[in-house]
Amino acid sequence: AQSVTQLGSHVSVSEGALVLLRCNYSSSVPPYLFWYVQYPNQGLQLLLKYTTGATLVKGINGFEAEFKKSETSFHLTKPSAHMSDAAEYFCAVTPTGANNLFFGTGTRLTVIP
Amino acid sequence: KAGVTQTPRYLIKTRGQQVTLSCSPISGHRSVSWYQQTPGQGLQFLFEYFSETQRNKGNFPGRFSGRQFSNSRSEMNVSTLELGDSALYLCASSLGYRAEETQYFGPGTRLLVL
Repeated sequence: AQSVTQLGSHVSVSEGALVLLRCNYSSSVPPYLFWYVQYPNQGLQLLLKYTTGATLVKGINGFEAEFKKSETSFHLTKPSAHMSDAAEYFCAVTPTGANNLFFGTGTRLTVIP
Repeated sequence: KAGVTQTPRYLIKTRGQQVTLSCSPISGHRSVSWYQQTPGQGLQFLFEYFSETQRNKGNFPGRFSGRQFSNSRSEMNVSTLELGDSALYLCASSLGYRAEETQYFGPGTRLLVL
């Protein structure tokens, strides 16, 4: 069965500092992994996804994530936080043969000016 | 292309009533999925439709149902509403149903049950 664990329900960073949001997955087979962002009163927007191939995935708004099979991790990073990055971030995985997303509990990112 | 649209955006109902939510996918997308988002349970998968057939269903009671029309538009229905059904209901569409496909989400319908 697939599951996703996001460490840290709240993360605060200063503007210009590194953003690191953690995601670990549990899967019996190589998964497909996704990061979504949700701004207040809005739906989810895809930041990036890993399916196959290169393990370092670049997404929108300067975000990237690295798939590490040995650590069962897919952490999201951004070198320099911007005020507009303040939002809730969700890591998700899809099971083999289906496209229903299993989401982590989310991490709320606060950017301090 | 227009994004995923959901109507209505906000809804207030009372316990015992039923409600129908609507979702129009991105043009050309044939798969529609529904998710419930609550502060306590987070984001949970309800069901998925492709070409008018339910392909997958989450762990929700039978009061939650859905359907998809030939133009890929989808509706979900909740009967005999309970207070715990208060949530943001999100619809997502994708081209097909493969696990690696990107799902595009609508803005959601916020349901409040009193």
